[in-house]
Order: sequence, then C-alpha cells, then structure tokens
Amino acid sequence: QVQLVESGGGVVQPGRSLRLSCAASGSTFSTYAVHWVRQAPGKGLEWVAVTSHEGSTSFYADSVKGRITISRDNSKNTLYLQMNSLRPDDTAVYYCTRVPPRRLGGMDVWGQGTTVTVSS
Amino acid sequence: AIQLTQSPSSLSASIGDRVTITCRAGQGISSALAWYQQKPGKPPKLLIYDVSSLESGVPSRFSGSGSGTDFTLTISSLQPEDFATYYCQQFNSYPYSFGQGTKLEIK
Repeated sequence: QVQLVESGGGVVQPGRSLRLSCAASGSTFSTYAVHWVRQAPGKGLEWVAVTSHEGSTSFYADSVKGRITISRDNSKNTLYLQMNSLRPDDTAVYYCTRVPPRRLGGMDVWGQGTTVTVSS
Repeated sequence: AIQLTQSPSSLSASIGDRVTITCRAGQGISSALAWYQQKPGKPPKLLIYDVSSLESGVPSRFSGSGSGTDFTLTISSLQPEDFATYYCQQFNSYPYSFGQGTKLEIK
C-alpha cells in the first residue's frame, strides 16, 4: 500500500524560498508520475506540477512557471517542490499525489498535505 | 489551459435523494476526466476516473458519464457520509485543471 507524506511547510516571507518534500512508502515509487496540488484557505483545488516516473519530463501551472521546480529522487523515494520568489497567493496546503502505473489519470493516493504560509 | 465549470456550485439535498453534478469543459477532453470527493481538513478522495470507471472501494451509488465536453457525476441515493465537496478534473492535456467544486449540503 503506497503512502505519501509531505513535509517542509511553514511560514515564509514574500520573496523567500522554501522546499517541500514528499516521502513515498513502498518499492514502486519509480513506476509512477507524481504531482503537486494545492488548496488555498477556503478555496478549491489547484493543480501545480507533475514529474514523470523517471523525472525526465515536468509540466507546471502557468501561475507557478518560472518560480517553482518539481524534481524527484527515485533512490530515496522522495518528491520535491522547490519554491522561489514566494508570493502571498502561494499560501495553501500543498498535497503530493500520484497517478497509478499504467493509468493515464485519476490521482488515487494523496498525502495529508503540508501548509505553506507566505506572509511578512 | 482547459477550463472546467461545475454546476451547481452548491446543492442542498436529503438522505436518499438522487443527485447529479455537471462538469463542462472549455474544449473537448475525450474521456480524460476524474471526480473527487473532499471533506473538510482532508485530502481529496478519488471516486471516478476515465469518466465512468469506479475507483476500487468506492460505493456503487456513485457513477459517472459523459463525453467530449459535458460530464456528470451521479449519486443514486445520498447517504450521510456523502455530504462533502466534489471536484472534477481533466487530464487530457497539461496544465491539468480542476472544476471550482460543488458543495453538497444536507437539506
């Protein structure tokens, strides 16, 4: 049973950086794409980024492009989200999630989320 | 980016009611649509993928249908645990997108 556990959230000033991590359990981490999805307080879900199973291909939401980088270390079963030039509207709960192998869509496993607050 | 519009934004219903939520895409997305349920303080839960495939462990009262640009999630007989917010999501092309959500409340 795959589990995802996020960490690294906190309170950060505008313009600063933060790196989130997502640790995956199980030996199959390298077989599936992983995504970050965020949710601002009281708002809906916003897809942020994805990286392919081997980490060679990534895509980003327009709202974060150029400021945020997704990466993964399959030897450590860990996904990362490097966030630079943070803005108040980046304040949200950040979830890591996956699409199961051999499926095109439908995110079946989600972490509990880590909270990022951007405020001076 | 493909915009997804859900309707209604909120809905009041009673136990045992049949409920339908609609999701309209700004352009055709083939069968690349999923539905999620989210309760306060919890991550989303996958209900349906590929428009109509029921995720393992999800009760059969949930069903999905549609194609192209118009999709629906139906709950055949509302149970107390179904009161939550529901989101559709397209995975036809990047950037992926979610609908704005439909909050289902008890009447």
